[in-house]
Amino acid sequence: DAKTTQPTSMDCAEGRAANLPCNHSTISGNEYVYWYRQIHSQGPQYIIHGLKNNETNEMASLIITEDRKSSTLILPHATLRDTAVYYCIVRGALNTGNQFYFGTGTSLTVIP
Amino acid sequence: GAVVSQHPSWVICKSGTSVKIECRSLDFQATTMFWYRQFPKQSLMLMATSNEGSKATYEQGVEKDKFLINHASLTLSTLTVTSAHPEDSSFYICSARDGGRATETQYFGPGTRLLVL
Repeated sequence: DAKTTQPTSMDCAEGRAANLPCNHSTISGNEYVYWYRQIHSQGPQYIIHGLKNNETNEMASLIITEDRKSSTLILPHATLRDTAVYYCIVRGALNTGNQFYFGTGTSLTVIP
Repeated sequence: GAVVSQHPSWVICKSGTSVKIECRSLDFQATTMFWYRQFPKQSLMLMATSNEGSKATYEQGVEKDKFLINHASLTLSTLTVTSAHPEDSSFYICSARDGGRATETQYFGPGTRLLVL
């Protein structure tokens, strides 16, 4: 079962930062937070993941609260190509096979 | 790196026929692969976990005799939809776990769209 809660949809102006929140209040100490996105009719694309510390890569930044009960994915300068459904996933424990269970995600629309 | 391919990208078949979908990890070895199904305007639903050299583990409600999974090598897993019916029409997506990376990220294929007439 999905362990995360995300807003259903969000809009963001092109060129502005897109901040996508995710609640994962039941996260365990050894569980990572992963972010993927799915552009229409394609397979999900890996964005970033983290455990405790904030992370940044060429695509995005991930901010995890100190209590780890929520996180925010930040796309610093959103473009039209960032329009997609964004999924926040808490990875299952190792003894369950590392399955990813997808929630409903956030549909982000970048507006020109 | 970390590229996963699927073949075919789309397939149309008649009701009652079987359809095989291939999932390959192109630049890494995947001891574990996963199969998902996605209906229009819905999220991805995990169907099964495929482990190289052993039987697949199916999620509750997924018929193992209908969705046959074979993971014969470290780079290839196949999903066969047997006796397909129109309700099996869906977007099938595989992912592969890159066991060589410490945090075991999953990488997804581009998906296979199945239409059963």
